[in-house]
Amino acid sequence: QVQLQESGPGLVKPSQTLSLTCTVSGGSISSDSYYWSWIRQPAGKGLEWIGRIYASGTTNYNPSLKSRVTISVDTSKNHFSLKLSSVTAADTAVYYCARDGSYSTRGGFDYWGQGTLVTVSS
Amino acid sequence: DIVMTQSPDSLAVSLGERATINCKSSQSVLYSSNNKNYLAWYQQKPGQPPKLLFYWASTRESEVPDRFSGSGSGTDFTLTISSLQAEDVAVYYCQQYYRTPPTFGQGTKLEIK
Repeated sequence: QVQLQESGPGLVKPSQTLSLTCTVSGGSISSDSYYWSWIRQPAGKGLEWIGRIYASGTTNYNPSLKSRVTISVDTSKNHFSLKLSSVTAADTAVYYCARDGSYSTRGGFDYWGQGTLVTVSS
Repeated sequence: DIVMTQSPDSLAVSLGERATINCKSSQSVLYSSNNKNYLAWYQQKPGQPPKLLFYWASTRESEVPDRFSGSGSGTDFTLTISSLQAEDVAVYYCQQYYRTPPTFGQGTKLEIK
């Protein structure tokens, strides 16, 4: 059973960089055909896809956030990471990592972390 | 971006009755080469991450009860719960993965009447 766990600071100051890591267990992050995505959800609102990475390091980002987002992967540690720069209060949300089957035989986001709340405040 | 629009925004259904949630995409998510609709459905309960219910519009994820069904093609899709149970109270989202960025509907909140 694949499990994902987000980790990182729960409080970030405005204009600083949000940094989160997602550790994958129960399976290899190098699994064929699966990407690994970050998705966020402001309190009481809907889901917004941030970006994805493949084990090779290939990335796709949401154009709405592309200028501020960097996603990286460390296959030796079986984890991938998110950096979001120049944060504002609008970036306050629960951040999820998820296994992305968009290009696999399954489709959709089939495994999710529990989510971590990141608050942007001084 | 492909815009996903769900209807209704909220829905109250009696226990044992049918619940129907609709999802419309701003362009077709049917890939003609493989005849697959790149559409997924999720269930999200308070304090939990979304749970994948269906992919390819109608392929049920393992362990999802068969009272749940997904249907539709092209731009119009439906999630149906044939006989609502108390544990089905949640917010439901549709999502397209036909084009990057993947996008979600705004969600439909399902409650017991």
